[in-house]
Amino acid sequence: GAGVSQSPSNKVTEKGKDVELRCDPISGHTALYWYRQSLGQGLEFLIYFQGNSAPDKSGLPSDRFSAERTGGSVSTLTIQRTQQEDSAVYLCASSAQPLVTDTQYFGPGTRLTVL
Amino acid sequence: KQEVTQIPAALSVPEGENLVLNCSFTDSAIYNLQWFRQDPGKGLTSLLLIQSSQREQTSGRLNASLDKSSGRSTLYIAASQPGDSATYLCAVNSGGYQKVTFGIGTKLQVIP
Repeated sequence: GAGVSQSPSNKVTEKGKDVELRCDPISGHTALYWYRQSLGQGLEFLIYFQGNSAPDKSGLPSDRFSAERTGGSVSTLTIQRTQQEDSAVYLCASSAQPLVTDTQYFGPGTRLTVL
Repeated sequence: KQEVTQIPAALSVPEGENLVLNCSFTDSAIYNLQWFRQDPGKGLTSLLLIQSSQREQTSGRLNASLDKSSGRSTLYIAASQPGDSATYLCAVNSGGYQKVTFGIGTKLQVIP
Protein backbone atom coordinates (compact mmCIF):
# COMPACT_ATOMS: atom_id res chain seq x y z
CA GLY A 1 0.00 0.00 0.00
CA ALA A 2 0.93 3.64 -0.27
CA GLY A 3 3.13 5.18 2.37
CA VAL A 4 2.96 8.62 3.91
CA SER A 5 3.04 11.34 1.29
CA GLN A 6 3.81 15.02 1.68
CA SER A 7 3.43 17.98 -0.61
CA PRO A 8 5.05 20.04 -1.85
CA SER A 9 8.45 18.35 -1.74
CA ASN A 10 10.13 21.74 -1.90
CA LYS A 11 8.81 25.20 -1.11
CA VAL A 12 10.66 28.47 -1.50
CA THR A 13 8.92 31.52 -0.13
CA GLU A 14 9.65 35.09 0.82
CA LYS A 15 9.83 36.27 4.38
CA GLY A 16 6.44 37.33 5.64
CA LYS A 17 4.40 35.04 3.37
CA ASP A 18 2.14 32.26 4.63
CA VAL A 19 2.75 28.64 3.63
CA GLU A 20 0.74 25.44 3.85
CA LEU A 21 2.30 22.01 4.04
CA ARG A 22 0.23 18.91 3.43
CA CYS A 23 0.50 15.39 4.79
CA ASP A 24 -1.40 12.29 3.66
CA PRO A 25 -0.93 9.52 6.22
CA ILE A 26 -1.16 5.82 5.62
CA SER A 27 -4.80 4.83 5.27
CA GLY A 28 -6.25 3.72 8.58
CA HIS A 29 -3.54 5.27 10.74
CA THR A 30 -5.25 7.27 13.46
CA ALA A 31 -2.14 8.98 14.84
CA LEU A 32 -0.29 11.67 12.92
CA TYR A 33 2.83 13.62 13.87
CA TRP A 34 4.63 16.68 12.56
CA TYR A 35 8.36 17.21 13.11
CA ARG A 36 10.85 19.83 12.01
CA GLN A 37 14.45 18.98 11.08
CA SER A 38 16.78 21.94 10.95
CA LEU A 39 20.33 21.74 9.62
CA GLY A 40 22.57 20.18 12.25
CA GLN A 41 19.68 19.63 14.64
CA GLY A 42 17.74 16.57 15.66
CA LEU A 43 14.10 16.16 14.75
CA GLU A 44 11.96 18.56 16.75
CA PHE A 45 8.46 17.44 17.70
CA LEU A 46 5.80 19.95 16.68
CA ILE A 47 2.35 18.45 17.14
CA TYR A 48 0.49 15.17 17.43
CA PHE A 49 -3.02 14.27 16.26
CA GLN A 50 -5.15 11.39 17.42
CA GLY A 51 -7.99 11.32 14.94
CA ASN A 52 -8.87 14.95 14.31
CA SER A 53 -7.89 16.10 17.78
CA ALA A 54 -4.53 17.50 18.76
CA PRO A 55 -4.03 16.59 22.43
CA ASP A 56 -0.45 17.80 22.35
CA LYS A 57 0.46 21.09 20.69
CA SER A 58 3.35 21.79 23.03
CA GLY A 59 5.98 21.61 20.32
CA LEU A 60 4.64 24.38 18.13
CA PRO A 61 7.40 27.03 18.30
CA SER A 62 5.14 30.08 18.10
CA ASP A 63 1.58 31.17 17.45
CA ARG A 64 2.50 31.61 13.79
CA PHE A 65 2.34 27.82 13.52
CA SER A 66 -0.94 25.96 13.39
CA ALA A 67 -2.12 22.58 12.18
CA GLU A 68 -5.37 20.85 11.50
CA ARG A 69 -6.53 17.42 10.47
CA THR A 70 -9.80 16.67 8.79
CA GLY A 71 -11.68 13.41 8.35
CA GLY A 72 -9.07 11.62 10.41
CA SER A 73 -6.81 11.67 7.38
CA VAL A 74 -5.10 14.61 5.67
CA SER A 75 -3.30 17.15 7.82
CA THR A 76 -2.15 20.67 6.98
CA LEU A 77 0.59 22.55 8.79
CA THR A 78 0.32 26.29 8.28
CA ILE A 79 3.07 28.78 8.99
CA GLN A 80 2.02 32.42 8.93
CA ARG A 81 4.33 35.36 8.32
CA THR A 82 7.29 33.06 7.66
CA GLN A 83 10.69 33.95 9.03
CA GLN A 84 14.13 32.81 7.86
CA GLU A 85 14.51 30.67 10.97
CA ASP A 86 11.51 28.64 9.78
CA SER A 87 13.68 27.20 6.99
CA ALA A 88 13.91 23.46 7.63
CA VAL A 89 12.63 20.10 6.47
CA TYR A 90 9.16 19.42 7.81
CA LEU A 91 8.46 15.72 8.28
CA CYS A 92 5.13 14.04 8.82
CA ALA A 93 4.67 10.57 10.27
CA SER A 94 1.74 8.32 11.09
CA SER A 95 1.17 5.24 13.18
CA ALA A 96 -1.64 2.75 13.60
CA GLN A 97 -1.01 2.08 17.27
CA PRO A 98 0.33 4.08 20.20
CA LEU A 99 4.07 4.52 20.00
CA VAL A 100 4.70 2.36 23.04
CA THR A 101 3.98 -0.63 20.84
CA ASP A 102 4.40 0.52 17.26
CA THR A 103 6.68 2.52 15.05
CA GLN A 104 6.04 5.66 13.09
CA TYR A 105 6.06 5.69 9.30
CA PHE A 106 7.59 8.84 7.88
CA GLY A 107 6.92 10.76 4.71
CA PRO A 108 9.74 12.16 2.55
CA GLY A 109 9.39 15.64 4.00
CA THR A 110 8.87 19.14 2.67
CA ARG A 111 11.97 21.29 2.41
CA LEU A 112 10.99 24.87 3.23
CA THR A 113 13.32 27.73 2.34
CA VAL A 114 12.43 31.23 3.48
CA LEU A 115 14.35 33.93 1.66
CA LYS B 1 13.95 16.92 29.71
CA GLN B 2 15.18 13.94 27.76
CA GLU B 3 18.38 14.48 25.76
CA VAL B 4 19.73 12.04 23.20
CA THR B 5 23.36 12.06 22.07
CA GLN B 6 24.87 10.08 19.23
CA ILE B 7 28.54 9.35 18.78
CA PRO B 8 30.29 9.59 16.40
CA ALA B 9 28.70 12.33 14.33
CA ALA B 10 30.23 10.87 11.18
CA LEU B 11 31.96 7.63 10.31
CA SER B 12 33.71 6.40 7.18
CA VAL B 13 34.65 2.73 6.86
CA PRO B 14 35.77 0.38 4.08
CA GLU B 15 33.26 -2.13 2.80
CA GLY B 16 33.09 -5.34 4.80
CA GLU B 17 33.93 -3.86 8.19
CA ASN B 18 31.80 -4.41 11.26
CA LEU B 19 30.88 -1.19 13.03
CA VAL B 20 29.12 0.16 16.10
CA LEU B 21 27.05 3.31 16.43
CA ASN B 22 26.38 4.69 19.89
CA CYS B 23 23.39 6.42 21.42
CA SER B 24 23.04 7.74 24.97
CA PHE B 25 20.05 9.27 26.72
CA THR B 26 19.73 11.16 29.99
CA ASP B 27 16.40 9.89 31.37
CA SER B 28 16.21 6.12 31.79
CA ALA B 29 12.42 6.14 32.21
CA ILE B 30 11.66 5.20 28.64
CA TYR B 31 8.96 3.24 26.86
CA ASN B 32 11.14 2.18 23.96
CA LEU B 33 14.12 3.11 21.81
CA GLN B 34 14.24 3.00 18.06
CA TRP B 35 16.90 3.18 15.39
CA PHE B 36 16.04 4.83 12.09
CA ARG B 37 17.84 5.25 8.81
CA GLN B 38 17.57 8.45 6.77
CA ASP B 39 18.72 8.68 3.18
CA PRO B 40 19.34 12.11 1.61
CA GLY B 41 16.10 13.80 0.58
CA LYS B 42 14.01 11.06 2.07
CA GLY B 43 12.11 10.40 5.24
CA LEU B 44 13.09 8.08 8.04
CA THR B 45 12.86 4.31 7.82
CA SER B 46 12.53 2.30 11.01
CA LEU B 47 15.25 -0.32 11.45
CA LEU B 48 14.77 -1.72 14.94
CA LEU B 49 12.44 -1.00 17.85
CA ILE B 50 13.48 -2.13 21.34
CA GLN B 51 10.89 -2.07 24.11
CA SER B 52 12.06 -0.99 27.57
CA SER B 53 11.75 -4.57 28.83
CA GLN B 54 14.01 -5.92 26.07
CA ARG B 55 17.79 -6.01 25.88
CA GLU B 56 18.29 -6.34 22.14
CA GLN B 57 16.71 -6.74 18.74
CA THR B 58 18.14 -8.22 15.56
CA SER B 59 17.25 -7.82 11.90
CA GLY B 60 19.55 -9.32 9.30
CA ARG B 61 22.98 -7.75 9.66
CA LEU B 62 21.73 -5.28 12.27
CA ASN B 63 21.71 -5.76 16.01
CA ALA B 64 20.60 -3.14 18.50
CA SER B 65 21.14 -3.40 22.23
CA LEU B 66 19.61 -1.43 25.07
CA ASP B 67 21.00 -0.83 28.56
CA LYS B 68 18.30 1.27 30.14
CA SER B 69 20.00 1.67 33.51
CA SER B 70 23.08 3.24 31.97
CA GLY B 71 21.12 5.16 29.34
CA ARG B 72 22.84 3.59 26.36
CA SER B 73 22.08 1.81 23.14
CA THR B 74 24.32 0.53 20.39
CA LEU B 75 23.59 -0.35 16.78
CA TYR B 76 25.91 -3.00 15.40
CA ILE B 77 26.19 -3.38 11.63
CA ALA B 78 27.94 -6.50 10.42
CA ALA B 79 29.81 -6.78 7.12
CA SER B 80 29.00 -3.24 6.04
CA GLN B 81 28.03 -2.54 2.43
CA PRO B 82 28.02 0.67 0.35
CA GLY B 83 24.21 0.54 0.45
CA ASP B 84 24.40 1.03 4.22
CA SER B 85 25.61 4.59 3.64
CA ALA B 86 23.05 6.87 5.26
CA THR B 87 22.40 8.82 8.45
CA TYR B 88 21.36 6.68 11.40
CA LEU B 89 19.11 8.24 14.02
CA CYS B 90 18.39 7.07 17.52
CA ALA B 91 14.99 7.97 18.99
CA VAL B 92 13.76 7.56 22.55
CA ASN B 93 10.12 7.53 23.62
CA SER B 94 9.95 8.81 27.18
CA GLY B 95 7.78 11.90 27.22
CA GLY B 96 4.50 10.10 27.21
CA TYR B 97 2.83 7.88 24.72
CA GLN B 98 3.25 10.08 21.74
CA LYS B 99 6.43 12.11 22.17
CA VAL B 100 9.77 10.95 20.88
CA THR B 101 13.21 12.57 21.28
CA PHE B 102 15.66 12.14 18.43
CA GLY B 103 19.44 12.33 18.35
CA ILE B 104 21.17 14.34 15.65
CA GLY B 105 22.39 11.16 14.00
CA THR B 106 25.54 9.46 12.79
CA LYS B 107 26.37 9.92 9.12
CA LEU B 108 27.84 6.69 7.83
CA GLN B 109 29.80 6.29 4.63
CA VAL B 110 30.84 2.81 3.49
CA ILE B 111 33.56 2.97 0.90
CA PRO B 112 33.60 0.28 -1.81
